[in-house]
Amino acid sequence: EAEVAQSPRYKITEKSQAVAFWCDPISGHATLYWYRQILGQGPELLVQFQDESVVDDSQLPKDRFSAERLKGVDSTLKIQPAELGDSAMYLCASSPPGRSPLHFGNGTRLTVT
Amino acid sequence: LAKTTQPISMDSYEGQEVNITCSHNNIATNDYITWYQQFPSQGPRFIIQGYKTKVTNEVASLFIPADRKSSTLSLPRVSLSDTAVYYCPLNYGGSQGNLIFGKGTKLSVKP
Repeated sequence: EAEVAQSPRYKITEKSQAVAFWCDPISGHATLYWYRQILGQGPELLVQFQDESVVDDSQLPKDRFSAERLKGVDSTLKIQPAELGDSAMYLCASSPPGRSPLHFGNGTRLTVT
Repeated sequence: LAKTTQPISMDSYEGQEVNITCSHNNIATNDYITWYQQFPSQGPRFIIQGYKTKVTNEVASLFIPADRKSSTLSLPRVSLSDTAVYYCPLNYGGSQGNLIFGKGTKLSVKP
């Protein structure tokens, strides 16, 4: 079964440094999402792409977070500068058109020290 | 935005049927009810989705009453490997993927 690939699996960085996460969705899935999950809570949507276009980034802290999906396939989420409160699991998901379920990757666990 | 409420935790024993209920009083007409399972250090995994009445697949059943203000996920004969957190996010804004996840229900299955 095809999977959503994410890297790195774990990342430790110092506050004020820049960090980037990469996601490769399931082939053919036009919609891609980035979620953030703080320990003990459910995932919260940061940004949603349809092909290369941003559909919803209302919850993305734009002063420090940026996301791109230049060719409408893989995507990168960047944080600059990282803050202690950014420590969380960053999950990528993709879905085909319609009311199809989301397929999540196994995330990148970020620790900011 | 429609919010969901679930029990924080539930305990069960192997071989029992487990029913997890989710309340969603403000569900919108176009919202579908979805359930996801999450193991530690993994992303959520889709279990089942429904709009009304009953839906059944190879792993679970989903019961939705006529008013759609709640739903119940039923797991038949659970095993230790069903120990996980279960979420019932609603699709809001008419855009698939804008799911609002609550804190979920942590199910612990004991031998």
